[in-house]
Amino acid sequence: DAMVIQNPRYQVTQFGKPVTLSCSQTLNHNVMYWYQQKSSQAPKLLFHYYDKDFNNEADTPDNFQSRRPNTSFCFLDIRSPGLGDAAMYLCATSRVLGVAGGRTDTQYFGPGTRLTVL
Amino acid sequence: DQQVKQNSPSLSVQEGRISILNCDYTNSMFDYFLWYKKYPAEGPTFLISISSIKDKNEDGRFTVFLNKSAKHLSLHIVPSQPGDSAVYFCAASPGSEKLVFGKGTKLTVNP
Repeated sequence: DAMVIQNPRYQVTQFGKPVTLSCSQTLNHNVMYWYQQKSSQAPKLLFHYYDKDFNNEADTPDNFQSRRPNTSFCFLDIRSPGLGDAAMYLCATSRVLGVAGGRTDTQYFGPGTRLTVL
Repeated sequence: DQQVKQNSPSLSVQEGRISILNCDYTNSMFDYFLWYKKYPAEGPTFLISISSIKDKNEDGRFTVFLNKSAKHLSLHIVPSQPGDSAVYFCAASPGSEKLVFGKGTKLTVNP
């Protein structure tokens, strides 16, 4: 089945120790997103890739970086995790209809990675 | 500033009855709306959507209503089943590749 896969499902790291979360997709979608979701909060968009173009949200801390080496994979790097970065990290993909900047199709989510910072 | 608001953090209904989940938005540029369902330890899954050119969209037990003048949409589930117990997120798109999500409403359907 076509799907969005996130690894690991649970990640424990120490304060300040870099961590990388991974996402892969078999949907061949051209857009990939990273969201941060804290308890009882809305998923918050950190950034997204439209093909190879990186789009950062204005309020995403510099501590968060991303890489998309190819269509199928996208990584979230947290360079120096703080206690406030403990959250669920969701990867999503979508197919943008029409020309560049057009309407997104439905976003498909992976199961998420639960990050704990000690 | 929350552009998509789900003011009820939780809702409890009896099996077989109607569940109504509400969502309000503030951005007039939103023209496409979606509902997602999320079970614990899983990612959100798409449930149903509606374009701003419509005021109703139906899919089986799920119906979404859109009132553009009130900037309000609602999700009706009839009849509700225990398996519908989950967190429901409302999301809106301003005509781009992004979505803006609400905080979610936790629905509990009691047998």
